[in-house]
Amino acid sequence: KAGVTQTPRYLIKTRGQQVTLSCSPISGHRSVSWYQQTPGQGLQFLFEYFSETQRNKGNFPGRFSGRQFSNSRSEMNVSTLELGDSALYLCASSLVGVEAFFGQGTRLTVV
Amino acid sequence: SQQGEEDPQALSIQEGENATMNCSYKTSINNLQWYRQNSGRGLVHLILIRSNEREKHSGRLRVTLDTSKKSSSLLITASRAADTASYFCATDGLPSGGSYIPTFGRGTSLIVHP
Repeated sequence: KAGVTQTPRYLIKTRGQQVTLSCSPISGHRSVSWYQQTPGQGLQFLFEYFSETQRNKGNFPGRFSGRQFSNSRSEMNVSTLELGDSALYLCASSLVGVEAFFGQGTRLTVV
Repeated sequence: SQQGEEDPQALSIQEGENATMNCSYKTSINNLQWYRQNSGRGLVHLILIRSNEREKHSGRLRVTLDTSKKSSSLLITASRAADTASYFCATDGLPSGGSYIPTFGRGTSLIVHP
């Protein structure tokens, strides 16, 4: 059974640009959550999607958005990038919303 | 804000020794989970303990939960160099939108010297 796949693994962007990250959950998992991990703030919850609907949202500005497709694949978008957006972005999928399976993450560097 | 907070922040031991990490949380929970993260990679689920359980074992891992003290501990016995990683506890936080979102602490960085 394939795990959670995140693409790309690494990304370098310039301030002001926008970026889209992709996450393919484990087959059959309908819940996909996104987290931002930085050394200073640790793991911060961004949002959760379930059956194409955003079910929960963390405390992040509107520059951070996401969506989920009918095949449960999810994307998150960050517009008008800031230096502080440099982080490891982790996607997790779950079957019943308790045990989460994480992808390897996308390392975003904003310069 | 973090619900769970791990202690210590960093732990350095020799191979073969036991490693104990603690997690404290603030509000009532349904479940508490422990995850491991190797440097710069995704998190791997280790073990889940429910609020009505006091202790759980999985291989060399032993997790305890004391809901009266709002704390949990993770014990890794006979540690190996491959156990070097960061360990996070995650509580289920508050229900919202029909689901519980795991809320993570800042983690304990464990280094096991060969």
